[in-house]
Amino acid sequence: QVQLVESGGGVVQPGRSLRLSCAASGFTFSSYAMHWVRQAPAKGLEWVAVIWHDGSRQYYADSVKGRFTISRDSSKNTLYLQMDSLRAEDTALYYCGRAPPHCSGGGCGDYWGQGTLVTVSS
Amino acid sequence: EIVMTQSPATLSVSPGERATLSCTASQSVSTKLAWYQQKPGQAPRLLIYDASTRATGIPARFSGSGSGTEFTLTISSLQSEDFAVFYCQQYNNWPPLTFGGGTKVEIK
Repeated sequence: QVQLVESGGGVVQPGRSLRLSCAASGFTFSSYAMHWVRQAPAKGLEWVAVIWHDGSRQYYADSVKGRFTISRDSSKNTLYLQMDSLRAEDTALYYCGRAPPHCSGGGCGDYWGQGTLVTVSS
Repeated sequence: EIVMTQSPATLSVSPGERATLSCTASQSVSTKLAWYQQKPGQAPRLLIYDASTRATGIPARFSGSGSGTEFTLTISSLQSEDFAVFYCQQYNNWPPLTFGGGTKVEIK
């Protein structure tokens, strides 16, 4: 069965960095684009970034562009999100999700992990 | 960026009744629309994609309709496990992917 397990969250001071990981299993990781989506406390869902199945393209929300970097290691079946210059408004539960090709080349997520909490606070 | 607006913010429904949720896009998204369900403490669950296609394993009581800018998610007969927050999301013109603010379906 498809499993996505996020890790790496924690409490970090503003301006510092954090790297999130998402370990994938139960499917051919290298065949799927992958997303990061976040949810601030008691708020809705916000898309963060996507990476193509082969890592050839990455796209970001304007709110994180230039500060966050999405990457993947297919030899480890793992997705990453490097978060630099963190701000208080980045505080959220971060979910990784698998992007099935039937949603216009990966525009939706059919499986999601349980999330990892990032708190940016001094 | 396409803005997605959901209404109502909260819907109070009795078990066994029908629930109708609305989602409006600021410009046409064709049928490139997905619906998700999220229960407290859980990840989002894909219900519908391409506006009306149920995702794998989703019960037939969930149905989606619409195209262009107006979309509807209907739950034909609410079960106790259906009470949750529902989000719509467009993928016609992306990035960015954009979500609606959500509709909370609560027990009346």
